[in-house]
Amino acid sequence: NAGVTQTPKFRVLKTGQSMTLLCAQDMNHEYMYWYRQDPGMGLRLIHYSVGEGTTAKGEVPDGYNVSRLKKQNFLLGLESAAPSQTSVYFCASRSLGETGGYEQYFGPGTRLTVT
Amino acid sequence: DAKTTQPPSMDCAEGRAANLPCNHSTISGNEYVYWYRQIHSQGPQYIIHGLKNNETNEMASLIITEDRKSSTLILPHATLRDTAVYYCIVRVAEGSQGNLIFGKGTKLSVKP
Repeated sequence: NAGVTQTPKFRVLKTGQSMTLLCAQDMNHEYMYWYRQDPGMGLRLIHYSVGEGTTAKGEVPDGYNVSRLKKQNFLLGLESAAPSQTSVYFCASRSLGETGGYEQYFGPGTRLTVT
Repeated sequence: DAKTTQPPSMDCAEGRAANLPCNHSTISGNEYVYWYRQIHSQGPQYIIHGLKNNETNEMASLIITEDRKSSTLILPHATLRDTAVYYCIVRVAEGSQGNLIFGKGTKLSVKP
């Protein structure tokens, strides 16, 4: 049981280039999330999904797109990377409908630098 | 979701108990208190959560005051590997998008 995995772990992009970050979970979770974390700050929600085929905007969605074609995968795309998107990106997942609170599982992160 | 207030940093001697406070004076009756931690360069890790009663698991204990306006996370025997940023988060269990709202947390340094 690998939990939540993220690909790649590191990436350097030039301004204007595009890329896709992949998140995969093997826990059959309904909910998946993409966060970004900038130095000295907490995590901020970019986009999320409440099930296969659904996506929704979070707190800081501009410049990103997402897709959830399969339940176990959640893709984050940068169409035209900007230096302001230099950050560490974390994916997370959780199950649906748990009462009494829930645990959210996080991946190890992707460090992205845009020059 | 209710806001939380945590001290920016704390030190603890290895082997001693680490007591991390959190103030959430505007918490609502249906909001849970969650604790996560983030060890340097890793993804956040769930520690514990509670609603009203004190909770204990293999990692920590959570003490919630009777009025629920504050809580304390207790690591009973801190080790060097417990050095991390600890986040206190309050939110409802369901009925929303379910994301966690992270503040700046408390940076706990466990010293030999």
